[in-house]
Amino acid sequence: KAGVTQTPRYLIKTRGQQVTLSCSPISGHRSVSWYQQTPGQGLQFLFEYFSETQRNKGNFPGRFSGRQFSNSRSEMNVSTLELGDSALYLCASSTGGLAGTDTQYFGPGTRLTVL
Amino acid sequence: GQQLNQSPQSMFIQEGEDVSMNCTSSSIFNTWLWYKQDPGEGPVLLIALYKAGELTSNGRLTAQFGITRKDSFLNISASIPSDVGIYFCAGQRWSGNTPLVFGKGTRLSVIA
Repeated sequence: KAGVTQTPRYLIKTRGQQVTLSCSPISGHRSVSWYQQTPGQGLQFLFEYFSETQRNKGNFPGRFSGRQFSNSRSEMNVSTLELGDSALYLCASSTGGLAGTDTQYFGPGTRLTVL
Repeated sequence: GQQLNQSPQSMFIQEGEDVSMNCTSSSIFNTWLWYKQDPGEGPVLLIALYKAGELTSNGRLTAQFGITRKDSFLNISASIPSDVGIYFCAGQRWSGNTPLVFGKGTRLSVIA
């Protein structure tokens, strides 16, 4: 089974621009979660999509948004980029069900640098 | 956002030594997970724990889900150079539909 894939792996943008990142989950997984990882704040939850609906949301400004398609692929968008948005953006997929043994598997991440 | 208290922050050990790290929280979690992250890569799942008191092994790795549901530990026995990396604990209120809350990680260095 192929793992979680994320594209692109690296991205350089300038302040004020917007960016779209893509995530393809493991086949059969319907939940995609996005996390931001920075040296100062560690891994912070952005949002989770399940069956094309945002099911959970972290504490990030509205410049961060996402969506999920019918094939469970997900995109996240950051508008009006700020220097502090430079980070590794990770997505994780899971079945998303209520079974007590569901687990999130991570992709390799997209390294975003804002200049 | 909320984070777990993970310690130690970093460790330098000799090859062959055993390693122990732990994670604590003021809140109860019903799932505890341990991940390892190599530079430039995403976290890789090592062990998942779903029941209080559960002790689970994966090769040289052993992890336990604390009885109070507020802590977990990870042991690595007979460390080898490829154990180098950052180890993260993560707690989840309810498996499947709640976000992961992460510790800040333990950076492990192994001296051959």
